[in-house]
Amino acid sequence: DVQLLESGGGLVQPGGSLRLSCEASDFDFGSYGMTWVRQAPGKGLEWVSSLTGGGGAAYYADSVKGRFTISRDNSKKTLYLQMDSLRLEDTAIYYCVKVDYMSGWFGPVAFDYWGQGTLVAVSS
Amino acid sequence: DIQLTQSPSFLSASVGDRVTITCRASQVISNYLAWYQQKPGKAPTLLIYTASTLQSGVPSRFSGGGSGTEFALTISSLQPEDFATYYCQQLKTYPRTFGQGTKLEIK
Repeated sequence: DVQLLESGGGLVQPGGSLRLSCEASDFDFGSYGMTWVRQAPGKGLEWVSSLTGGGGAAYYADSVKGRFTISRDNSKKTLYLQMDSLRLEDTAIYYCVKVDYMSGWFGPVAFDYWGQGTLVAVSS
Repeated sequence: DIQLTQSPSFLSASVGDRVTITCRASQVISNYLAWYQQKPGKAPTLLIYTASTLQSGVPSRFSGGGSGTEFALTISSLQPEDFATYYCQQLKTYPRTFGQGTKLEIK
């Protein structure tokens, strides 16, 4: 079964950096786009960033643009999120998510598998 | 950005009830809409995609409908394990926005 295992979360001071990793298994990693979604404590889901299967196109939420960088190493089946200039409002659980496609549809149609999440806490 | 508005935000219901949650998009998104269920302390799970396609393994009491800007998730007969928070999401454009969530509680 598809597995996504995040790591790299932790406590960091405002202005600091963290790099999240997501190790994938049991699917053809390089053929699928991947995404990061976050959830602040007690709040709803917020899409953060997506990256196409080949890594050629990346997309970011306005709230993280210029501070976060999504990347992937398909040989290692691993997705990354480099987070710089962290702010208090970046505190959240960060989920690694696989996207799914459907024949006849343009682009992804769902976020079909989610990791268990990794907690990023930004605090002084 | 496309805004998704779910209603209601909170819903109290009993086991066996039929419930419907609606999701309204600020622009036409065709059928690029998915629904997710999230239980406390757990990651979300996919229920429905392309507005009405049931994800493999999801019980048939869940169904989705709608198109354009108006969508609905219906649970035909609530089971104890269905009490959770539900989110809609559009995949028509970036940013991939979610609705604010609907918390379904036991009456």
